[in-house]
Amino acid sequence: NAGVTQTPKFQVLKTGQSMTLQCAQDMNHEYMSWYRQDPGMGLRLIHYSVGAGITDQGEVPNGYNVSRSTTEDFPLRLLSAAPSQTSVYFCASSDLGQGTDTQYFGPGTRLTVL
Amino acid sequence: GENVEQHPSTLSVQEGDSAVIKCTYSDSASNYFPWYKQELGKRPQLIIDIRSNVGEKKDQRIAVTLNKTAKHFSLHITETQPEDSAVYFCAASLYNFNKFYFGSGTKLNVKP
Repeated sequence: NAGVTQTPKFQVLKTGQSMTLQCAQDMNHEYMSWYRQDPGMGLRLIHYSVGAGITDQGEVPNGYNVSRSTTEDFPLRLLSAAPSQTSVYFCASSDLGQGTDTQYFGPGTRLTVL
Repeated sequence: GENVEQHPSTLSVQEGDSAVIKCTYSDSASNYFPWYKQELGKRPQLIIDIRSNVGEKKDQRIAVTLNKTAKHFSLHITETQPEDSAVYFCAASLYNFNKFYFGSGTKLNVKP
C-alpha cells in the first residue's frame, strides 16, 4: 500500500513551458485535491475532485487544469508556467462520507519556474 | 469562502513547557477542524482533529479545544519535547464537503 505518490519530486521549468504533475493513490479514496505551499501562506487549495469525472476549483485555480478519469489518478497541468507558480505542490486524498475526513498527503513536488 | 487565521507564526518554548497555538475561522458552517504537523522537507501529517459537536479532544500530550460561539479552536501540547519542533497547521472544512482551508502555520521550536 503506497498511499499517495507524486512525480516528479523536483522540476525546473522555463517561463511559458507546460508540464503535468502526477498524483496517484491506491486507497480507493473518492476525494483528491491539489495544494500549493508558499512560505508564510500555509496550504492553498488549487483544484479538487469528489470522484472520477468530477472536478472543481479551489482558492487559487488560475493557470492550472485538472482532470479525473480514474479514481486513482489526479494529474495537475500547468498550461504556461510563470515564475509566480514557483512553489511546493502537494496532492492529497481522503474518504468521503466514511466517518473520517483524514487527508493523506503525497510527498510533494518542488517546482521552480525561471 | 472560509478564512482561517493562525497565531502565533513562530513559537519558542523550553523543553517540558506547554505550547498553545490558536486559530479562528469565519464560516459558522465549518464543522471539522484538523491539525497537521509538518517537519522540514516532509509532507503534512494529521495529528489530531475535532468535530463541532465536541468541545475538547485529547490524545496523550496533545489536545484540541473548540469554541463554536467564538469561532476559534486551539492546539495544546504539554511536556514538549525537541521532536515536537515542526510547523503546525490548523484547517477548517465542512464535513463531507472536503474543501479545506488552512491557516498560515506556526513554527514551533522546542529548545532542549
